[in-house]
Amino acid sequence: EAQVTQNPRYLITVTGKKLTVTCSQNMNHEYMSWYRQDPGLGLRQIYYSMNVEVTDKGDVPEGYKVSRKEKRNFPLILESPSPNQTSLYFCASRTLTGGHTDTQYFGPGTRLTVL
Amino acid sequence: AQSVTQLGSHVSVSEGALVLLRCNYSSSVPPYLFWYVQYPNQGLQLLLKYTSAATLVKGINGFEAEFKKSETSFHLTKPSAHMSDAAEYFCAVSGPNSGYALNFGKGTSLLVTP
Repeated sequence: EAQVTQNPRYLITVTGKKLTVTCSQNMNHEYMSWYRQDPGLGLRQIYYSMNVEVTDKGDVPEGYKVSRKEKRNFPLILESPSPNQTSLYFCASRTLTGGHTDTQYFGPGTRLTVL
Repeated sequence: AQSVTQLGSHVSVSEGALVLLRCNYSSSVPPYLFWYVQYPNQGLQLLLKYTSAATLVKGINGFEAEFKKSETSFHLTKPSAHMSDAAEYFCAVSGPNSGYALNFGKGTSLLVTP
């Protein structure tokens, strides 16, 4: 089954304790992306990657890091989480072969709470 | 930059009534427009997308949307609401000016009452 998976689905942590949210896709997609969803703000892009070893900032990158060492994986790293990073996070992937109209597939989300 | 505005953060309809969720876009180039649905505690699922092939786009679960350039709109409709349609709906835009990112609206929460 074609899918994007994220782990963990729920995470409660404390300020300053480094954490990683994993994302994996099995569709051989070149493009992967992280979004955060906050009430009343919709989804905002954090980082994206066009292919292995190619990453770039989205609209809200402060406080986050990413890496793309393998095509299927795109982990999101919070080196020193703060309460304002409490949010619902989504990983997404898509192919680039069809241009701008190709569908972006989303993972199930990770709900992060930083105390 | 390309953006979308969803009018109405909450919409309530009776079961069997028409569903109309509004989305207006802003773009200096022809946009590619999407509607996604998010059911409680789930990820986003594509309902339909406009790719300039046809102005009336039919999606899953009986939803459709019409691209109107003169009104810069891409409203989502369904003739008869079901209880299972209760969810959050997001309009999004993509195009050459935004790379491959999706720029989302703030979402509309649809409530369906018996």
